[in-house]
Amino acid sequence: IQLTQSPSSLSASVGDRVTITCRASQDISSFLAWYQQKPGKAPKLLIYAASTLQSGVPSRFSGSGPGTDFTLTISSLQPEDFATYYCQQLNSYPLTFGGGTKVEIK
Amino acid sequence: EVQLLESGGHLVQPGGSLRLSCAASGFTFSSSAMSWVRQAPGKGLEWVSAITANGGTTYYADSVKGRFTLSRDNSKNTLYLQMNSLRAEDTALYYCAIYGVSPRYFDYWGEGTLVTVSS
Repeated sequence: IQLTQSPSSLSASVGDRVTITCRASQDISSFLAWYQQKPGKAPKLLIYAASTLQSGVPSRFSGSGPGTDFTLTISSLQPEDFATYYCQQLNSYPLTFGGGTKVEIK
Repeated sequence: EVQLLESGGHLVQPGGSLRLSCAASGFTFSSSAMSWVRQAPGKGLEWVSAITANGGTTYYADSVKGRFTLSRDNSKNTLYLQMNSLRAEDTALYYCAIYGVSPRYFDYWGEGTLVTVSS
């Protein structure tokens, strides 16, 4: 199953609303997770089951699904949110990741 | 506190072998599925392999199938990735992660160990 993330990068300002899209090549139900990765660090789980917020993750992050089209939304971008975001499908093997979206400061 | 500590990565020649280890603590290792994910320098994440809690079933990415073998020793709380016939394209930072199966996600990750395949 291929995951296509868009955009591959974006520039935004603090306080902006940001939406990242992840499209699956076939229906993956709600078996989708989102991760945040900062330079030199391991990925951090943000959202699982398409829309469930991981414990401790700020409520400005939200996700939608299910099916083939998924979104990660940051309602009001904060300085600590500048990072690269990846989606991952866990519906079937081989598990796959999207190509990533780098969120940069405008 | 959950801890995953990867080790074993270093410089190896093409065609060579390496065994990576992931020492786990702070959770019930024997009840947890585990996985490896790699990241080539400056590139995105690539899932490599996964193993069930009892070690009875393993899964592999097509890119490593037949060359890598994932195993675990639940008595030692350690995950192993045996990597044979290494290629330049296997150069990456290798992360181990806990694979939550219900719901499904990778909720804890180690800091990674670097494998460099070069002559």
